[in-house]
Amino acid sequence: AQKITQTQPGMFVQEKEAVTLDCTYDTSDPSYGLFWYKQPSSGEMIFLIYQGSYDQQNATEGRYSLNFQKARKSANLVISASQLGDSAMYFCAIKSRNTGKLIFGQGTTLQVKP
Amino acid sequence: DTEVTQTPKHLVMGMTNKKSLKCEQHMGHRAMYWYKQKAKKPPELMFVYSYEKLSINESVPSRFSPECPNSSLLNLHLHALQPEDSALYLCASSSRVAGEDTQYFGPGTRLTVL
Repeated sequence: AQKITQTQPGMFVQEKEAVTLDCTYDTSDPSYGLFWYKQPSSGEMIFLIYQGSYDQQNATEGRYSLNFQKARKSANLVISASQLGDSAMYFCAIKSRNTGKLIFGQGTTLQVKP
Repeated sequence: DTEVTQTPKHLVMGMTNKKSLKCEQHMGHRAMYWYKQKAKKPPELMFVYSYEKLSINESVPSRFSPECPNSSLLNLHLHALQPEDSALYLCASSSRVAGEDTQYFGPGTRLTVL
């Protein structure tokens, strides 16, 4: 079975500062993918970044980067230069290559202060 | 283009009504998904279609009936719903079910059952 743990229910960050959202996972699959999604209050689930379990380099996508530590089973999201529009719920998710099911964590609510 | 569209955006229905939710994608994806999401919770998988065939039903009550008329379209037929079925219903698509392909989500339908 796969599991995602997000231990920060809520986070605050000052505008223009960087913030790290924590995500740890548990899986017995040898191959898997890790994803981060952003969900504003409007409800749409927006894909941010992907990290494959065999990728040697940490994924980056604009202001988003994923700090992947495979031995520690962690996949933290780093948002640099926070903007007011970054205020949202953030979900970490893991997908098994075999089953294809996407398993989500409980989410972290991020609020960016002006 | 990674757009998944969903209609309607909002839906209010009585417990005796029959209604349908619609989801469309034109990315050539062959896997489509329905999720249910309650407020401040992660999405829960309901159904998965792979190449227009139902491949996963997560023990969803029969008052929810999915349909995949073609590779671009996914419907969710609703009948005799309960107030506890009120939630955000999200549709997603990916290139295929297996593997680590990214799931792209639509904006969701906010359903209220009176």
